[in-house]
Amino acid sequence: AQSVTQLGSHVSVSEGALVLLRCNYSSSVPPYLFWYVQYPNQGLQLLLKYTSAATLVKGINGFEAEFKKSETSFHLTKPSAHMSDAAEYFCAVSPDNDMRFGAGTRLTVKP
Amino acid sequence: DVKVTQSSRYLVKRTGEKVFLECVQDMDHENMFWYRQDPGLGLRLIYFSYDVKMKEKGDIPEGYSVSREKKERFSLILESASTNQTSMYLCASSLERVGRSPLHFGNGTRLTVT
Repeated sequence: AQSVTQLGSHVSVSEGALVLLRCNYSSSVPPYLFWYVQYPNQGLQLLLKYTSAATLVKGINGFEAEFKKSETSFHLTKPSAHMSDAAEYFCAVSPDNDMRFGAGTRLTVKP
Repeated sequence: DVKVTQSSRYLVKRTGEKVFLECVQDMDHENMFWYRQDPGLGLRLIYFSYDVKMKEKGDIPEGYSVSREKKERFSLILESASTNQTSMYLCASSLERVGRSPLHFGNGTRLTVT
């Protein structure tokens, strides 16, 4: 069965600093991978998705993620955090017909 | 742009009540899903449907049922609400089956059972 581990339930960065949110998955086959963002009192929105076309995936709002098969990781990064990036972020993995979500990482951005 | 609308943002119900959570999507998606979201647990799949009149159990179906009479509408039913069903409920739809295309989520219904 698939599983997704997000390291760190809370991450705090200063405005302008690098954002790094970690995601590791277990999968016996190459999966589809997603990052979603949830702003307060809203549902989840797709940030980006990996579907094997390229290992470095660019998403919305300046975020990107790199698929590393050898490390079974799909970490999310943004070079410079903005106050509006404060939200909860979810990594999700799916080989087929079964999407598994991580527990989420809450990102706080300090002025 | 896909819109998934959940009829209630907040609901407060009493233990033992029958509760209906409604979800409508406007993009003619075949696939619809109900998740519950709890702190530290992420999203857990309750039920999903790949077609009208069709339903499949997810990971945590106990205490829930669903109805899909029309393609655009997917309802979650709590037959007899209990306090451990206090949670955020998220409806989603997708163009293709789970994993092949992203999920489009509604804004959620925060249900409190007292």
